[in-house]
Amino acid sequence: KAGVTQTPRYLIKTRGQQVTLSCSPISGHRSVSWYQQTPGQGLQFLFEYFSETQRNKGNFPGRFSGRQFSNSRSEMNVSTLELGDSALYLCASSVLPSGSSADTQYFGPGTRLTVL
Amino acid sequence: GQSLEQPSEVTAVEGAIVQINCTYQTSGFYGLSWYQQHDGGAPTFLSYNALDGLEETGRFSSFLSRSDSYGYLLLQELQMKDSASYFCAASNQAGTALIFGKGTTLSVSS
Repeated sequence: KAGVTQTPRYLIKTRGQQVTLSCSPISGHRSVSWYQQTPGQGLQFLFEYFSETQRNKGNFPGRFSGRQFSNSRSEMNVSTLELGDSALYLCASSVLPSGSSADTQYFGPGTRLTVL
Repeated sequence: GQSLEQPSEVTAVEGAIVQINCTYQTSGFYGLSWYQQHDGGAPTFLSYNALDGLEETGRFSSFLSRSDSYGYLLLQELQMKDSASYFCAASNQAGTALIFGKGTTLSVSS
C-alpha cells in the first residue's frame, strides 16, 4: 500500500507570496492532519480534516487555511508568506474508526518551505 | 497554557533500557501518543495510551498516569538505530496529535 505523499517536496518562495501544498493520504484513509515543524517551535498542529470538514484547528493565523476534497486529498494554503513560515510542513492520515479507539497516524515525508 | 514537558536529551549504550518522561498540562486531553523521528525523516507513530497503565509493543512500552499528568516511553534492548528524536503528544479521541512536546533526542552509543 502506498504511503502518504506530499508535493512538492521542496519549495522556495519570497515574502508576500502565497503557497499551496498538497497531501494525498493512504488509500482508504479519510482523515488528514497538517503540522508545521520548525527548530524553534517544534511540531505544531495546524488543522485536521475528515470527510471534507475541518474538525480541529490549531492556533495559527488566518493566513493558514486548508481544505479536503471528496477523494480525501488535502491542500493547505499559506497567504502573504512571512520569513517565519519557513518550516517543514507535514501531513498525516488515518482511517478514523467508527468506534472510540484511536487510530494510527501515518506521516508523509513533508514539504520543506523556505521563505526568502 | 497547554504544554508537554520532556527532557531535551538522553544518552544510553546499546542493550540498555531508557525511559523518556513526559509531563503534561493540557485541557481536552484524551490520550498520550509517542512518535519517533529520525534526522531528515517524518515522524513515525509508536504508541498511544488512552487509559492509565502500560501498553507494550515489542521493545517499546508506554505508560500513562492521568492522576499524575505523567507518561513515559520505555525503550528496551537499545539499538543504534533507536538514535532519534522522540515526541510525546496530547491526542484527541481519534488519536490525532494536537499538542507536542519539544522532543527528546536519544543518542545510543556502542
